[in-house]
Amino acid sequence: GESVGLHLPTLSVQEGDNSIINCAYSNSASDYFIWYKQESGKGPQFIIDIRSNMDKRQGQRVTVLLNKTVKHLSLQIAATQPGDSAVYFCAESFIFGKGTRLHILP
Amino acid sequence: NAGVTQTPKFQVLKTGQSMTLQCAQDMNHNSMYWYRQDPGMGLRLIYYSASEGTTDKGEVPNGYNVSRLNKREFSLRLESAAPSQTSVYFCASSEVKETQYFGPGTRLLVL
Repeated sequence: GESVGLHLPTLSVQEGDNSIINCAYSNSASDYFIWYKQESGKGPQFIIDIRSNMDKRQGQRVTVLLNKTVKHLSLQIAATQPGDSAVYFCAESFIFGKGTRLHILP
Repeated sequence: NAGVTQTPKFQVLKTGQSMTLQCAQDMNHNSMYWYRQDPGMGLRLIYYSASEGTTDKGEVPNGYNVSRLNKREFSLRLESAAPSQTSVYFCASSEVKETQYFGPGTRLLVL
């Protein structure tokens, strides 16, 4: 069946550094991907999305890259801040990966 | 504009009891979803409703039923709760093939 997965369950990054969170998917027909952020005790919140006709999309301090050849996407967070501490999920429609917990080191 | 609301926020049940989780959205979205989230498992789709009047099973539908009451409301019912249904339940809504907006969740403990 279809699956979406993240490579690392946890990631620790120094405050101010850039964070890169990776995700792989299995369905080559997938055409819409979303990154969500989930803070403790809250529901997932939309960060950024990308459609399959794009390779890159930028938001405020976040960039998503999509490599359709190897079925891989990544979320880059620039100048990571304490408020970025959360679990990050990639999703293809309603199929979610298991999430990467981002820890910010002072 | 409240977005997606869920009730209750927290519930304790005994094995075999029944309950209904309520969800409502005010964004005029056609699609609504119910997920459960367990530690280390991410979010798993229980049921979804692509539009008013339709419902479909997701990845883990056993032990649950749903009702799309109208365009705004989508309820999830546990007929006979089991300890394996202890989880955090999230409702979400979206337009088709668009971003989902999630509610704050219901934390359910089944003893």
